[in-house]
Amino acid sequence: EVQLVESGGVLVHPGGSLRLSCAASGFTFSNYWMSWVRQAPGKGLEWVANIKGDGSEKYYVDSVKGRFTISRDNAKTSLDLQMNSLRAEDSAVYYCARWDLYSGYYSLHNWGQGTLVTVSS
Amino acid sequence: QTVVTQEPSFSVSPGGTVTLTCGLNSGSVSTTNHPSWYQQTPGQAPRILIHSISFRSSGVPDRFSGSIVGNKAALTITGAQADDESDYYCVLYVGSGSWVFGGGTKLTVL
Repeated sequence: EVQLVESGGVLVHPGGSLRLSCAASGFTFSNYWMSWVRQAPGKGLEWVANIKGDGSEKYYVDSVKGRFTISRDNAKTSLDLQMNSLRAEDSAVYYCARWDLYSGYYSLHNWGQGTLVTVSS
Repeated sequence: QTVVTQEPSFSVSPGGTVTLTCGLNSGSVSTTNHPSWYQQTPGQAPRILIHSISFRSSGVPDRFSGSIVGNKAALTITGAQADDESDYYCVLYVGSGSWVFGGGTKLTVL
């Protein structure tokens, strides 16, 4: 069974840093693109970042470029999100999710339960 | 800036049929946008409903179907049930490695 378990969400001050982690199990982690998706309180879903299975490609939403870094450790089957220069608008539940490829199309088939990040003074 | 558009809200009667849409402010949705659909109930993680444009994910009832209609992706619920009352999101690939979620549709069944 595929499991994705996020951790690391806390209350942090504006300008601070935080590192989120996602522990993956139940599948060959290195074979999959992975993603962070966030959801601000009462708002919709927002794609944040993607990383290829071997870590060689990374993509970010414009609002986090230069502040957030997605990374992975395939030996430990973990996905991380280093978040620097945090702003109030980064407050959200952050989900770890796995991209699956079916018939040539990508979609997010497995999601973690999310971890809450609150940026406030 | 690419925006993915969804109806903010929709209402359907029990047993009725509703089609939610997912569009692009920059043009038409096509297969190259890899449209997929997700359902989310309050306090829960999203759950995939439709992948690869029109394929139901495992365990998804066959009253849910996906397609591209005209210039938009579409999610149709035929024979809506009370527990279909949820938020529905689409996500599209918009190029250069980037993905954009629609703002979501809040579906009411009454």
